[in-house]
Amino acid sequence: GAVVSQHPSWVICKSGTSVKIECRSLDFQATTMFWYRQFPKQSLMLMATSNEGSKATYEQGVEKDKFLINHASLTLSTLTVTSAHPEDSSFYICSARVDRVDSGNTIYFGEGSWLTVV
Amino acid sequence: KQEVTQIPAALSVPEGENLVLNCSFTDSAIYNLQWFRQDPGKGLTSLLLIQSSQREQTSGRLNASLDKSSGRSTLYIAASQPGDSATYLCAVLSNDYKLSFGAGTTVTVRA
Repeated sequence: GAVVSQHPSWVICKSGTSVKIECRSLDFQATTMFWYRQFPKQSLMLMATSNEGSKATYEQGVEKDKFLINHASLTLSTLTVTSAHPEDSSFYICSARVDRVDSGNTIYFGEGSWLTVV
Repeated sequence: KQEVTQIPAALSVPEGENLVLNCSFTDSAIYNLQWFRQDPGKGLTSLLLIQSSQREQTSGRLNASLDKSSGRSTLYIAASQPGDSATYLCAVLSNDYKLSFGAGTTVTVRA
């Protein structure tokens, strides 16, 4: 079945540094991918919609200069948390929408990435 | 803006009991509704996906219903087991292809 790979699963970084998280669709093409953030005991909140070959669309309240999204190919989107601070510590998870017309708008999720900023 | 609500927030039952998890959404213009399972510190596992034209989906001990007009879905888990302990999330795919999640129902099945 379709699989979305997210890497790294866990990352600890120092405050002020940048961290890149990758999201890959392994056996399907995904023009559109999504990035979510989940704080402890809360639900997933959509951060941005990543579109291959064009700029990402950010949700209200999400700083686009802080959370850089690049969707350079039909199978890869990256999220870079720039100048990370402890309050950015969270669970980040991506999803990819299958491009096939007959997919029924199926969306698959990655395993998520735990970011801890110290 | 789509709002998704899940009730109850937490549920604790003895092994063998049936589970009923509720999800409601405010905008009925949806493509589909999906139920996920999330274990602590883990990602999401898709359980059932119901297209907007469907009324229910079944997989093993799981059954999910969808009443789009009233903005409701229910996930039934029959004969619960301790391995069913997890957080269950309901998510609605709206016409703009954005998924809106509920806050989840945390289920504990006691052996």
